[in-house]
Amino acid sequence: GENVEQHPSTLSVQEGDSAVIKCTYSDSASNYFPWYKQELGKRPQLIIDIRSNVGEKKDQRIAVTLNKTAKHFSLHITETQPEDSAVYFCAATLTDKLIFGTGTRLQVFP
Amino acid sequence: EAQVTQNPRYLITVTGKKLTVTCSQNMNHEYMSWYRQDPGLGLRQIYYSMNVEVTDKGDVPEGYKVSRKEKRNFPLILESPSPNQTSLYFCASSLWGRDGGYTFGSGTRLTVV
Repeated sequence: GENVEQHPSTLSVQEGDSAVIKCTYSDSASNYFPWYKQELGKRPQLIIDIRSNVGEKKDQRIAVTLNKTAKHFSLHITETQPEDSAVYFCAATLTDKLIFGTGTRLQVFP
Repeated sequence: EAQVTQNPRYLITVTGKKLTVTCSQNMNHEYMSWYRQDPGLGLRQIYYSMNVEVTDKGDVPEGYKVSRKEKRNFPLILESPSPNQTSLYFCASSLWGRDGGYTFGSGTRLTVV
């Protein structure tokens, strides 16, 4: 069935290092791939998204890459800062639904 | 301010007592959706609505009902809540349907005892 797998479930990095979170999706018809950041006790917020006609998108320290052939997409955060600590969710569209991954808890240690 | 408003933020109820969680958006979005968030399971879609009077089941619709009589409101109804519906619930809306960024409400933490 429709499925989005996300890895790793937890990720700890030193401040200033890079962090990479990976997701795979099951349906080749999926064409929109957003990423959400959820800080503790808060609502998820969209941080970046990519559509299937684009291979890479960057916004300051964050970037997303998409490999349609392999059906996977990744979030890259460079020069991590303590305020990047949060849970990150990937998602992929399928027909009229937006299917979320299970989340990655990122901890950035000073 | 553009926002999605959910109420209540916290709710403790007993098994079988009907409840409604309200959701309202002021952005004229056509697409609205309800998710539940459970540890280790991420966000799972309960119901969604592409427009007024149009609703469809998501991945976990059992035990829930919704209605979309007006564009701005999308209430979630639990006719007979059970303890396995204890969860954190989020309402979301989107201008571009499933292909656009969602704006989420603040969440409703529901406990059914």
